[in-house]
Amino acid sequence: DAKTTQPTSMDCAEGRAANLPCNHSTISGNEYVYWYRQIHSQGPQYIIHGLKNNETNEMASLIITEDRKSSTLILPHATLRDTAVYYCIVRVNSNSGYALNFGKGTSLLVTP
Amino acid sequence: DTEVTQTPKHLVMGMTNKKSLKCEQHMGHRAMYWYKQKAKKPPELMFVYSYEKLSINESVPSRFSPECPNSSLLNLHLHALQPEDSALYLCASSQITNLAGGRHEQFFGPGTRLTVL
Repeated sequence: DAKTTQPTSMDCAEGRAANLPCNHSTISGNEYVYWYRQIHSQGPQYIIHGLKNNETNEMASLIITEDRKSSTLILPHATLRDTAVYYCIVRVNSNSGYALNFGKGTSLLVTP
Repeated sequence: DTEVTQTPKHLVMGMTNKKSLKCEQHMGHRAMYWYKQKAKKPPELMFVYSYEKLSINESVPSRFSPECPNSSLLNLHLHALQPEDSALYLCASSQITNLAGGRHEQFFGPGTRLTVL
């Protein structure tokens, strides 16, 4: 699986959009970009994933550059409950059990 | 029911004890996982079970022994652990699907916080 690079930490004011970048310059054509987050003392939680098109769901939007070498997770209206570590993971979808290789992630702090 | 449950929530054990961690899911998922997470570090994969068979073992020491007795349960048996094994142990499950573009989401439990004295 391709490696990812994320900023160590970011701050965001409550109610504003949080834009979390991720670099994955060695991504292969069949690798998907996944985002998970981990709120303190909880298990990781799936947020969104995509291959090459931009994606949106009830939690977030995922913008993937045309060359697929980087992506941005957007939380449109951050709340205090969005304070968490956000992990960008690049992997091939498999039809059997597979590993999630978590990098160091970005620690997002949403402030009042 | 989209929940993965883990018991116990907390466990303190001595280096000579034998204990077990339990994980349960009722989502019909046929892949189940154990991850280990040290403080302020990301989760690290330990084991993967597919269709109740061990498919990935990330060179985990034999003092950790996984078991998948049925499609809903996953156990992690602990014996002769060291203090450096103190960590949060996370269980997860996922569907097994042939759909390449499918969500392939892993659902995580809240973890068992283990302290080895």
